[in-house]
Amino acid sequence: AQSVTQLGSHVSVSEGALVLLRCNYSSSVPPYLFWYVQYPNQGLQLLLKYTSAATLVKGINGFEAEFKKSETSFHLTKPSAHMSDAAEYFCAVSHRNEKLTFGTGTRLTIIP
Amino acid sequence: GAGVSQSPRYKVAKRGQDVALRCDPISGHVSLFWYQQALGQGPEFLTYFQNEAQLDKSGLPSDRFFAERPEGSVSTLKIQRTQQEDSAVYLCASSNRGTGAFNEQFFGPGTRLTVL
Repeated sequence: AQSVTQLGSHVSVSEGALVLLRCNYSSSVPPYLFWYVQYPNQGLQLLLKYTSAATLVKGINGFEAEFKKSETSFHLTKPSAHMSDAAEYFCAVSHRNEKLTFGTGTRLTIIP
Repeated sequence: GAGVSQSPRYKVAKRGQDVALRCDPISGHVSLFWYQQALGQGPEFLTYFQNEAQLDKSGLPSDRFFAERPEGSVSTLKIQRTQQEDSAVYLCASSNRGTGAFNEQFFGPGTRLTVL
């Protein structure tokens, strides 16, 4: 069985500040880990993925995440928040090409 | 369009009605997934097809839910005798079978179902 836990259903940061969205996973096999972003009334868009290559993964829009096996974490960061980053973010886990198991999401608000 | 499309985008049904939700995957994509996203929650897996074969339907919440993909392309998710708890956004995703270990799932915009 596999699962993810996202700490903080709502996160607010000031424009230009560091963005940190937390995700911890549980998996009985080496996991594939993902971050997706969802804008209102739109589908999910893949931000970045970890598939057992480099532990520091860079994605689109300046986001990156680090896979830490010892902490079972895959936190998402961005050095400087932009107003356009306001959205819902989902962490997900899967095993190879099977179904995705999502967390409950974190709504990111950017304060001007 | 090159992406995954879903129709209708919005559906309002009276409790007890049957509904059918359509998904058009990206052309040539072998795998197709359905997910259910309740308000304020993350998407939850419903079912998975590889071509026309339904390989996993473990996430379907009851026997009122039925999915098909008869020709290995378009898929339909049918909900019979809808209940209020079926109100959610239904997301479809497709992926290709590549030679690598990872095949990205591309998501459609979803169908928002409201059961009154």
